[in-house]
Amino acid sequence: DTAVSQTPKYLVTQMGNDKSIKCEQNLGHDTMYWYKQDSKKFLKIMFSYNNKELIINETVPNRFSPKSPDKAHLNLHINSLELGDSAVYFCASSQAQFSGNTQYFGPGTRLTVL
Amino acid sequence: QQQVKQSPQSLIVQKGGISIINCAYENTAFDYFPWYQQFPGKGPALLIAIRPDVSEKKEGRFTISFNKSAKQFSLHIMDSQPGDSATYFCAASHRNAGGTSYGKLTFGQGTILTVHP
Repeated sequence: DTAVSQTPKYLVTQMGNDKSIKCEQNLGHDTMYWYKQDSKKFLKIMFSYNNKELIINETVPNRFSPKSPDKAHLNLHINSLELGDSAVYFCASSQAQFSGNTQYFGPGTRLTVL
Repeated sequence: QQQVKQSPQSLIVQKGGISIINCAYENTAFDYFPWYQQFPGKGPALLIAIRPDVSEKKEGRFTISFNKSAKQFSLHIMDSQPGDSATYFCAASHRNAGGTSYGKLTFGQGTILTVHP
């Protein structure tokens, strides 16, 4: 009965490769997010989708491309991986897109780029 | 631009003591201030949240104190327990009818809390 799930949990890859991280939520929420947590544990939003529509797109290299096939799924595809992309990536969801809605986070995907 | 500043970076407290974590913000448009708790290897989880129309909110051993004029808010953990050992993040978000800040959480840098038995 996992609320927000991500796969894979760990991802180790070489520089220059392309990889994807998948996220699914079974909470019936309309809004989903991707966050990046760096080695100092700082959390920063990357993207937000509401009903499959891109709402928030922070200053993220265009090598990162989110895709939302339906409102329960938000995947993150990363092209030409760089060393600096190594981090923990969290997916989250909330009932609606507005301030004050609790965001529920997934368990995270630890990406290591060698 | 760091809009939410959190201190201290780390905190060590004895069991039964009071843990206090402070945050300060710059953007007066912020209208929602949650605290998230993160255990190692897990995602952050909402602990408690407050809106600026109240100065204090208490849930069990956890209390948020909010000072709107000073643009500061803090988390107090009473009777701290070893199971409270985790990283705590303050955050803030605001409504922006015309912009793209809907639900966007801006996080503080995090505080690693260790409660010794």
